[in-house]
Amino acid sequence: NAGVTQTPKFRILKIGQSMTLQCTQDMNHNYMYWYRQDPGMGLKLIYYSVGAGITDKGEVPNGYNVSRSTTEDFPLRLELAAPSQTSVYFCASSSTGGPLHFGNGTRLTVT
Amino acid sequence: QQQVKQSPQSLIVQKGGISIINCAYENTAFDYFPWYQQFPGKGPALLIAIRPDVSEKKEGRFTISFNKSAKQFSLHIMDSQPGDSATYFCAASVNKLIFGTGTRLQVFP
Repeated sequence: NAGVTQTPKFRILKIGQSMTLQCTQDMNHNYMYWYRQDPGMGLKLIYYSVGAGITDKGEVPNGYNVSRSTTEDFPLRLELAAPSQTSVYFCASSSTGGPLHFGNGTRLTVT
Repeated sequence: QQQVKQSPQSLIVQKGGISIINCAYENTAFDYFPWYQQFPGKGPALLIAIRPDVSEKKEGRFTISFNKSAKQFSLHIMDSQPGDSATYFCAASVNKLIFGTGTRLQVFP
């Protein structure tokens, strides 16, 4: 049982480059989330989705975009990478009213 | 209104001791209060959760105490073990989770 799978595990980007962080889940969960984790700051919600075709902004959405074309996949897009986006990114999913299941994260460095 | 304040930032406990982590919130609409445990290189995982209609919930060595009037809740780890060394996050939710800033717990043998 794979759960929530994130790729890549690590990535280094130059300022201004773009990339997509991939997230897929095999639990048929309706809800999916993207968080970023910075030292001493906890986890901040970037975007979330309550089902295919529906997305909404979280606490820190600026500089990011998402799409949800299927139940399984919820990619996070960075269009113009900035040093402030250096972070560890976590994708999570949940069923309605259920706990969040997190992936193991993508560590992104922007230099 | 949306903040969840967590303390301490770090905690060192002797094996067999009690670890206590505290959280406070402002939004009285929050109706779900989970604690997540995170090991290095891994995503957080749900440890224990409580709803505001009860004042305490216990699962093994882990207990949540909830004080609705004070808008505070805490995690107690009894008989702390080196394997409990991890970062712990409290959170609160009405529609989506708002996380505290985390507590790094180190349990020494």
